[in-house]
Amino acid sequence: SAVISQKPSRDICQRGTSLTIQCQVDSQVTMMFWYRQQPGQSLTLIATANQGSEATYESGFVIDKFPISRPNLTFSTLTVSNMSPEDSSIYLCSVETSGRVKVFGPGTRLTVL
Amino acid sequence: AQSVAQPEDQVNVAEGNPLTVKCTYSVSGNPYLFWYVQYPNRGLQFLLKYITGDNLVKGSYGFEAEFNKSQTSFHLKKPSALVSDSALYFCAVRDMRSNDYKLSFGAGTTVTVRA
Repeated sequence: SAVISQKPSRDICQRGTSLTIQCQVDSQVTMMFWYRQQPGQSLTLIATANQGSEATYESGFVIDKFPISRPNLTFSTLTVSNMSPEDSSIYLCSVETSGRVKVFGPGTRLTVL
Repeated sequence: AQSVAQPEDQVNVAEGNPLTVKCTYSVSGNPYLFWYVQYPNRGLQFLLKYITGDNLVKGSYGFEAEFNKSQTSFHLKKPSALVSDSALYFCAVRDMRSNDYKLSFGAGTTVTVRA
């Protein structure tokens, strides 16, 4: 199955700044998914990123706050903009493999002070 | 719409005893069902899935789950729990008819296996 890497693995940021998270997959995939896991909570889908088109955002998430790039079939970035402490979460990248199983990256643990 | 309910926030069992983590789901059509496990400070790992076929599915680390359509349940089970099974477990569902590939997760159940 696909192997996903994410950078950075963790970061501590000041409020008002932005952080870009990178996701690299070892195989070409059509769709990439970005999830957020707030402390002690479940995973929530932020958006779906297809190569060559605008990302599709879930209710409660907007492009100005979470811009996404998808320049090719193995890479995507998620930016968390104008951060506040409420953005402190684990951000996970995911792809769906054959067999309909979603594989997740190791996550980026973000703390906003 | 699709959703998952995990009614227990925590499950505590003694090592060697059976472990059950409950999950019920709601989808418009037929479901694809999944269990994932998350160990502390680690990513989400796939355990097992139900796509079609036998209602009893077997997965990694000796876990199994039974799909029950009439009760809309997909409980995770292990006959003899290990201390190393202590982790956070998530049930997830996707509507088979959906073409957006979205996966909805339950709130998670923390399993603690005591020695």
